[in-house]
Amino acid sequence: KNEVEQSPQNLTAQEGEFITINCSYSVGISALHWLQQHPGGGIVSLFMLSSGKKKHGRLIATINIQEKHSSLHITASHPRDSAVYICAVMHLGGGADGLTFGKGTHLIIQP
Amino acid sequence: GAGVSQSPSNKVTEKGKDVELRCDPISGHTALYWYRQSLGQGLEFLIYFQGNSAPDKSGLPSDRFSAERTGGSVSTLTIQRTQQEDSAVYLCASSLRGSSYNEQFFGPGTRLTVL
Repeated sequence: KNEVEQSPQNLTAQEGEFITINCSYSVGISALHWLQQHPGGGIVSLFMLSSGKKKHGRLIATINIQEKHSSLHITASHPRDSAVYICAVMHLGGGADGLTFGKGTHLIIQP
Repeated sequence: GAGVSQSPSNKVTEKGKDVELRCDPISGHTALYWYRQSLGQGLEFLIYFQGNSAPDKSGLPSDRFSAERTGGSVSTLTIQRTQQEDSAVYLCASSLRGSSYNEQFFGPGTRLTVL
C-alpha cells in the first residue's frame, strides 16, 4: 500500500511570504498530482507531474522520483491562496487504482 | 465549457434508506472515478470506470456500495441501507483516458448526511 505523507498539516503565513508544502510517498508511482480544495469544497487540479518541475503563475511544483518526494511552492502568497492543498499519487501500472491521497495541508494566508 | 457535474449537491437521508448519486463527466472523457471524503479524513478512492471495460471496484468499502456507468457517460453511485458512517462528500472525477498521465477533473461533490 502506498502511503502519502504531507507536511505541514497546517500552515499560517503572512501575505507575500514564500510557501513550501512537502509530500512524500512510499512506493513507486507513475504520476503525482497537486490539488487545491477551497472552503466550499471544490477541487481543482493544479499540477500533474512525473519528473522535474512545472510552473504556473506563482505556483511551482517539483518532484524527485529517486527520493520519492515532491514540493509545492507558492511565491508572493496572497490571501486568496488560502485553501487545502492535497498531494495525490497514481500507482505504477496506470489508472486502475485511482489516486491515493495525502491528508492535505491547510494553508491560511493572512493579509 | 461544461465541467464535471454532480447531483444532488446535498442529500440528507435516514439510516437504512437507499440513495443514488449522479455524475455527468466531461463529454469525451472515457475514464470516470468516484472518491469519498469523510469528515476529518482524506480523500479515498472508491471505483474506476474506463470505457466499456469492467470497472475496478477495489475501493468500495462494502457490498452496500455499487456503481454503474451507462453508455460510457453518466455514472450513478448507489448506497443501499445507508449507515451514519456513510456520511461524507462523494466526489466524481473524469479524465480523457484512464492513464496515469491524464489530468483528472473533479466535480463539485455531493454532500451526503445520514441521520
